[in-house]
Amino acid sequence: KQEVTQIPAALSVPEGENLVLNCSFTDSAIYNLQWFRQDPGKGLTSLLLIQSSQREQTSGRLNASLDKSSGRSTLYIAASQPGDSATYLCAVRPGSGGYQKVTFGIGTKLQVIP
Amino acid sequence: ETGVTQTPRHLVMGMTNKKSLKCEQHLGHNAMYWYKQSAKKPLELMFVYSLEERVENNSVPSRFSPECPNSSHLFLHLHTLQPEDSALYLCASSQEGGRGDRRTDTQYFGPGTRLTVL
Repeated sequence: KQEVTQIPAALSVPEGENLVLNCSFTDSAIYNLQWFRQDPGKGLTSLLLIQSSQREQTSGRLNASLDKSSGRSTLYIAASQPGDSATYLCAVRPGSGGYQKVTFGIGTKLQVIP
Repeated sequence: ETGVTQTPRHLVMGMTNKKSLKCEQHLGHNAMYWYKQSAKKPLELMFVYSLEERVENNSVPSRFSPECPNSSHLFLHLHTLQPEDSALYLCASSQEGGRGDRRTDTQYFGPGTRLTVL
């Protein structure tokens, strides 16, 4: 059974700092890995999706990397801003199944202090 | 804002009430999902309607009943709920089946319904 762990559970940083969020998974037979953002009481917004054959994806100040063999992904946020404050979720889709088997982490709650 | 809408956004109900949650997707997708999100727990997949087939999580209590009248609409009927059912209920959609460029590799989520059971 796939397990997804996100560390740290919560993070508070001053504005402008670069930061790294971590996601680890136990089964390396994945189809893709996705990072989502969730604002309080709201749905999930997709940030970056990395296919199993890729090593990283970039969008603006965000960079996500994937090391499938070690079961790890990182989300790097450059020059953090107060608007980045949210919970960041990692989700893994298995290589053998559809979305029925997507496994989510609990998330990292980020607070960026002005 | 996403192409997936959910109503109501907030719902408070007693344990003897019957209510329904509604989800609508405007993306032309062929799969829709209900998730439950509780505090300090990962998202839990409750039901999937994919290519007109229903797939369910066997651990979901029968007091939750899904309905998918067409590919754009999804309902979750609630009856005799318990206080531990209080959570954020999220709907999502995706394009499954791998048909050329219409396949999506991601799910699109609605804003959720915050349910409180008294």
